Amino acid sequence: GEDVEQSLFLSVREGDSSVINCTYTDSSSTYLYWYKQEPGAGLQLLTYIFSNMDMKQDQRLTVLLNKKDKHLSLRIADTQTGDSAIYFCAESGGSGNYQLIWGAGTKLIIKP
Amino acid sequence: KAGVTQTPRYLIKTRGQQVTLSCSPISGHRSVSWYQQTPGQGLQFLFEYFSETQRNKGNFPGRFSGRQFSNSRSEMNVSTLELGDSALYLCASSFSGTNTGELFFGEGSRLTVL
Repeated sequence: GEDVEQSLFLSVREGDSSVINCTYTDSSSTYLYWYKQEPGAGLQLLTYIFSNMDMKQDQRLTVLLNKKDKHLSLRIADTQTGDSAIYFCAESGGSGNYQLIWGAGTKLIIKP
Repeated sequence: KAGVTQTPRYLIKTRGQQVTLSCSPISGHRSVSWYQQTPGQGLQFLFEYFSETQRNKGNFPGRFSGRQFSNSRSEMNVSTLELGDSALYLCASSFSGTNTGELFFGEGSRLTVL
């Protein structure tokens, strides 16, 4: 079946760039998403990319999509303590399914 | 515009009891979906309701059920609670459905089963 995989943890130093990676299996995905979950809160949509795009930039966030390798990444420039959160990758099934397929989430840890 | 509201925020139950969780979506949103989040299993899709009809269902036993009312508010019920049902239950609303990906989440209901 369809699957989305992410590393569980990423530790970076404050001020450095963070790169969170995600791989997926459904080649017919139309949209791919990044959600952020801060401690004690629900998920919040950060950004998304349409499957015919390679890159999308939004302020400190850069999303890169390699459709051939089914690889998605989220780069956060100048990582701040407020970026500490769990980041979820999700893809919308292209098979007419009415649900997103979610990764397990990557916990971003910021070192001072 | 008010966000997605989930009640109660925290609750403690014992094994064998049942629980009902409530979700009020953003005004105008017709889709409500439910997720179970646990440290071990991550985010698991329970079901989605759209205009009072269950449109999709995840891989959970029949003890987990839900419904949606005409005002788009939704409830989910878990009967015969088990220890493994301890989790954060998240509700998300959207205008047209979960496949568009633009979901707005509530803060969740944290259920502890003793």
